[in-house]
Amino acid sequence: AQTVTQSQPEMSVQEAETVTLSCTYDTSENNYYLFWYKQPPSRQMILVIRQEAYKQQNATENRFSVNFQKAAKSFSLKISDSQLGDTAMYFCAFLPLQGGSEKLVFGKGTKLTVNP
Amino acid sequence: GAVVSQHPSRVICKSGTSVKIECRSLDFQATTMFWYRQFPKQSLMLMATSNEGSKATYEQGVEKDKFLINHASLTLSTLTVTSAHPEDSSFYICSARPALRGYTFGSGTRLTVV
Repeated sequence: AQTVTQSQPEMSVQEAETVTLSCTYDTSENNYYLFWYKQPPSRQMILVIRQEAYKQQNATENRFSVNFQKAAKSFSLKISDSQLGDTAMYFCAFLPLQGGSEKLVFGKGTKLTVNP
Repeated sequence: GAVVSQHPSRVICKSGTSVKIECRSLDFQATTMFWYRQFPKQSLMLMATSNEGSKATYEQGVEKDKFLINHASLTLSTLTVTSAHPEDSSFYICSARPALRGYTFGSGTRLTVV
């Protein structure tokens, strides 16, 4: 079974600085997607960034970028120029593409606080 | 685009009553929808996969008779919590997959059973 591990339950960063959230996963599959979701206090799940496993290039979305290391099964999220609105729970998620399952596998989350 | 609407956002019900939560895909058709439960400060736990026109698939440990799921159309899935008890109080979230590469989530329903 696939598992997703987020080893940092909580993190904090000063406004305008950079922070990296860790995520590792375990799978025997070769084709899959990886996601980072943000859940602010409103509890709405918001997609931050996605990565296709077959792509070697790391995904980037404005201030958000990932470091995808397929061999190491690592998928960290870097937030640059942190803003107060980035304060939220961040969940790393894995989606297998083989076997027909559409079930997302979530990590336990990292609570990020951006301090003014 | 790709909006999932979930209602109600909050509901308080008395113990022993039933509560229905709706999840609608507004601008796309969803043959499959997913229902999650989230306890405070925890991750999302998949409860069941809702399949249009057929029975839902429940995860291990989820009571089928307590959490009734109906997916009668390509845009609507409902979760009914039957004979609710205080321990059923939680945050429930639905999601659907409008495109190959991603999921869209509803805004969630906070259920409080008193």
